[in-house]
Amino acid sequence: DADVTQTPRNRITKTGKRIMLECSQTKGHDRMYWYRQDPGLGLRLIYYSFDVKDINKGEISDGYSVSRQAQAKFSLSLESAIPNQTALYFCATSDSRRGADTQYFGPGTRLTVL
Amino acid sequence: AQSVTQPDIHITVSEGASLELRCNYSYGATPYLFWYVQSPGQGLQLLLKYFSGDTLVQGIKGFEAEFKRSQSSFNLRKPSVHWSDAAEYFCAVGEHSGYSTLTFGKGTMLLVSP
Repeated sequence: DADVTQTPRNRITKTGKRIMLECSQTKGHDRMYWYRQDPGLGLRLIYYSFDVKDINKGEISDGYSVSRQAQAKFSLSLESAIPNQTALYFCATSDSRRGADTQYFGPGTRLTVL
Repeated sequence: AQSVTQPDIHITVSEGASLELRCNYSYGATPYLFWYVQSPGQGLQLLLKYFSGDTLVQGIKGFEAEFKRSQSSFNLRKPSVHWSDAAEYFCAVGEHSGYSTLTFGKGTMLLVSP
């Protein structure tokens, strides 16, 4: 079983719709992250959470929001989707107790906004 | 602020030939350094990481990387490439403080020719 799961794996939506991407992990890690990947741009950090009560904006947080419902769950929402949010979205986790930022990634969600 | 440069967007290597992927970072102190691989349609998998100590780091799948402080580089190498190594490779840098996030390069796509 995968340690970091993302749902849905693929989603097509229309401009203006609200959409939520979900991430769950069974690794017992306290830190979770959301990235988007666009061709030629690598991975860019959207939001990150170092524990349930700690939420931080990343490099490109405009147009996105997050919720850390539990240590194991971290959701990303697009309140009103727009076409330039079409991308591959990754969730990642890391364990602060190990004293380093090795991140473990989920399989990704491919989002298309029409 | 930390940054990562992967100068090569695409590299083509013949199967069985050696490989070197370049990574240069910008950071004021000794960084954490990572190489991840992303196979088509997959999430990111950690290949190897450098935190401290021996500057030559061994990873999975026969990869190694060498940290060179004087050149601010962390190049990835493999002595003999296999067709299954065709993928996109990402270099990333983090801070020793443990409170930072990772910064990723834009990636290098490796193509393997017969």
